[in-house]
Amino acid sequence: QKEVEQNSGPLSVPEGAIASLNCTYSDRGSQSFFWYRQYSGKSPELIMSIYSNGDKEDGRFTAQLNKASQYVSLLIRDSQPSDSATYLCAVKTSYDKVIFGPGTSLSVIP
Amino acid sequence: DGGITQSPKYLFRKEGQNVTLSCEQNLNHDAMYWYRQDPGQGLRLIYYSQIVNDFQKGDIAEGYSVSREKKESFPLTVTSAQKNPTAFYLCASSPNEGGDFNQPQHFGDGTRLSIL
Repeated sequence: QKEVEQNSGPLSVPEGAIASLNCTYSDRGSQSFFWYRQYSGKSPELIMSIYSNGDKEDGRFTAQLNKASQYVSLLIRDSQPSDSATYLCAVKTSYDKVIFGPGTSLSVIP
Repeated sequence: DGGITQSPKYLFRKEGQNVTLSCEQNLNHDAMYWYRQDPGQGLRLIYYSQIVNDFQKGDIAEGYSVSREKKESFPLTVTSAQKNPTAFYLCASSPNEGGDFNQPQHFGDGTRLSIL
């Protein structure tokens, strides 16, 4: 089992819709979870950090964490073409390593 | 402006040659990291350093070397032993202040390395 897995893409949504990106992790002791956005040819940029169970909202982005299910998600409301990118889930494990998932490619269709 | 500066943006390596990628940060972050990204894939950790004069191997350290002589600098050398060095190399840093190791990493703009 891979340490951090993400839903396979590419994911296509129409403009204005909600995009849902999912991530599961294997280390039950993980405490910190991050979502990064990476445009093609560019470096990752941090979108959200989440540390506690529940939802965390920042503008059009909502991160959801369920430690019991070892699951973290990112919802993008009112998706825009500029949201088209690869989204990376990163997990800080109990052994102090940050593991990145393979990424999910999102395409928002105008 | 505070940030992480990687140079050069593009680098070409000849067979048998060592090349060094620069990473400098003025964020006063304690921890620094090097990742490799291959097309269509996630990030793989090469080396990381939590403090000056100390660093640890990541998952794919073979063929690479680093140094951490100054807090703001963490250069990566790709040696001739690395037989498939063509990739996008990313440097990152995180604060770890007050012993809080849960802060997110922030990335430089990356260096693209290719074989001549």
